[in-house]
Amino acid sequence: IQMTQSPSSLSASIGDRVTITCRASQTISTYLNWYQQKPGKAPKLLIYAASNLQSGVPSSFSGRGSGTDFTLTISSLQPEDFATYYCQQSYRTPITFGQGTRLEIK
Amino acid sequence: QVQLQESGPGLVKPSETLSLTCTVSGGSISSSSWSWIRQPPERGLEWVGKIYYSGSTNYNPSLKSRVIMSVDTSKNQFSLNLSSVTAADTAVYYCARKTTEPYYFDYWGQGTLVTVSS
Repeated sequence: IQMTQSPSSLSASIGDRVTITCRASQTISTYLNWYQQKPGKAPKLLIYAASNLQSGVPSSFSGRGSGTDFTLTISSLQPEDFATYYCQQSYRTPITFGQGTRLEIK
Repeated sequence: QVQLQESGPGLVKPSETLSLTCTVSGGSISSSSWSWIRQPPERGLEWVGKIYYSGSTNYNPSLKSRVIMSVDTSKNQFSLNLSSVTAADTAVYYCARKTTEPYYFDYWGQGTLVTVSS
């Protein structure tokens, strides 16, 4: 299952609302997870099963979608949110990730 | 708090076998499944495969012919062997825990860089 994220990169300012999209090449129900990765660090789980916020993750993060189309929204960007974001499907093996969206400071 | 730690050589010669071990602490390996995920420099994430405590495995078809995973429940460890490596296998290798339904990676190791070079 191919996962396609858009955009590949995004420039935004502190306080902005941003949305990242992830599209699956076939239906994956809600078996979709989102991760944040900072340079030199392992990915960190943000959202699981499309819309469930992982414990400890700020409520400024939210996820929506089912089937083939999903979104990750950050309601108000903070300095620590500038990172790369990946979607990942766990509907079927091989598990696959999107190519990543790099979020940069404008 | 579950913690994972990768260990193994940071440099492997072309055509040889890459061997890594992941040690799990703060929890039992006899739960969920355990995966290896790799990330070439400046690139995205690629799932290598997973293993259950029973020893049952599932590999990425793109690597299946070269991958063997094993588990040692007495040591709370699982391992990755990737044979016939080339420069394309140079990557940071992460071990991670995958939960049961609805299936996500909740705990990750810090990652270890493996460079394939003569």
